[in-house]
Amino acid sequence: AQSVTQLGSHVSVSEGALVLLRCNYSSSVPPYLFWYVQYPNQGLQLLLKYTTGATLVKGINGFEAEFKKSETSFHLTKPSAHMSDAAEYFCAVSGAGSYQLTFGKGTKLSVIP
Amino acid sequence: ETGVTQTPRHLVMGMTNKKSLKCEQHLGHNAMYWYKQSAKKPLELMFVYSLEERVENNSVPSRFSPECPNSSHLFLHLHTLQPEDSALYLCASSQDRVNTGELFFGEGSRLTVL
Repeated sequence: AQSVTQLGSHVSVSEGALVLLRCNYSSSVPPYLFWYVQYPNQGLQLLLKYTTGATLVKGINGFEAEFKKSETSFHLTKPSAHMSDAAEYFCAVSGAGSYQLTFGKGTKLSVIP
Repeated sequence: ETGVTQTPRHLVMGMTNKKSLKCEQHLGHNAMYWYKQSAKKPLELMFVYSLEERVENNSVPSRFSPECPNSSHLFLHLHTLQPEDSALYLCASSQDRVNTGELFFGEGSRLTVL
């Protein structure tokens, strides 16, 4: 069984400030981890993913995330927020051989000018 | 057209109506999915179709009925829905099993049940 917890349903940052969105997971098998972004009135789009190998993964639009097995975390960061980053972000986990992609409840990011 | 296309984008229906949502993917993928997105809840996987099999979430009520006539098209047939079924229904596709790839989502069909 797998689960995802995203801390904070709503995060506000100033333009140019660090973005940190938190994700913790539980999985009974080695996890594959994903971050998706959803802009208003659109579907979800993959930002980045971790499957195996390097634990620091880089994605689109300057985002990156680090897989920390000891902390069961996969936090998403971006050094400098841009107004266009305002969206809802979803962390997700799946396991080997499974169709089931388990999503967190999402974190809505607001960027203040 | 490219990507994953869903129609209609918005649908309002009464509890006694029968309607269908349509999804079409132009990516040559082998798996298609229906997800339900409700406010303040995690995305809920409803159905999966692939070359190998159909998988369904046993908690999905029978008033939702999927149909996948080929690898590019997916339908969700709706009948005698309840107001709590109002949500955004997202279609997605993937090359193969989701865990090693990524899901490509459509823009969703916003359903309101009166």
